[in-house]
Amino acid sequence: NAGVTQTPKFQVLKTGQSMTLQCAQDMNHNSMYWYRQDPGMGLRLIYYSASEGTTDKGEVPNGYNVSRLNKREFSLRLESAAPSQTSVYFCASSEVPGQGLSGELFFGEGSRLTVL
Amino acid sequence: LAKTTQPISMDSYEGQEVNITCSHNNIATNDYITWYQQFPSQGPRFIIQGYKTKVTNEVASLFIPADRKSSTLSLPRVSLSDTAVYYCLQPGGADGLTFGKGTHLIIQP
Repeated sequence: NAGVTQTPKFQVLKTGQSMTLQCAQDMNHNSMYWYRQDPGMGLRLIYYSASEGTTDKGEVPNGYNVSRLNKREFSLRLESAAPSQTSVYFCASSEVPGQGLSGELFFGEGSRLTVL
Repeated sequence: LAKTTQPISMDSYEGQEVNITCSHNNIATNDYITWYQQFPSQGPRFIIQGYKTKVTNEVASLFIPADRKSSTLSLPRVSLSDTAVYYCLQPGGADGLTFGKGTHLIIQP
């Protein structure tokens, strides 16, 4: 059981380049999330998708776009990368939306992105 | 902003019981409290979740008083491998999905 799989695990970009982080879950979860974690900081929510076909902004959405491709996959795109986007990105999924009951989140291993 | 408040760091020794308290003054009626553990270079991992009173599993216990404005994660007989960051979440609404800085727990021999 793979759980939540993220690709790539490592990426180096130059300022202005674009890239897409891929995330897939095999737990048939309805909700998926993208977080970023900067050194010594907690995780900050970028975007989330409560269910297939919906996406919503989180705390730090600027500079990012997302696509909920299907129930399994949720991608995060950086259209024009900036050094401030250097971070570790985590994808997560949950059975129900993080509103109220049983919002247990299952996380991937993270994608480490460096923007030069 | 995270809706919870917890200590930035704690130290303890192997074999001791560690209690980490979290404040969540604005908890809503339907909100559960969830605790996560994160090791370096890994994603957070679910530890325990509760609504009120006491919940216990093979890893930890969670105490939530009647007013539900705080909760305490209890780790019995900690070992060096329990050194990690522990997050308290109140997953109600989109802002409830934001993790604060968590509590850096350091276990010494």
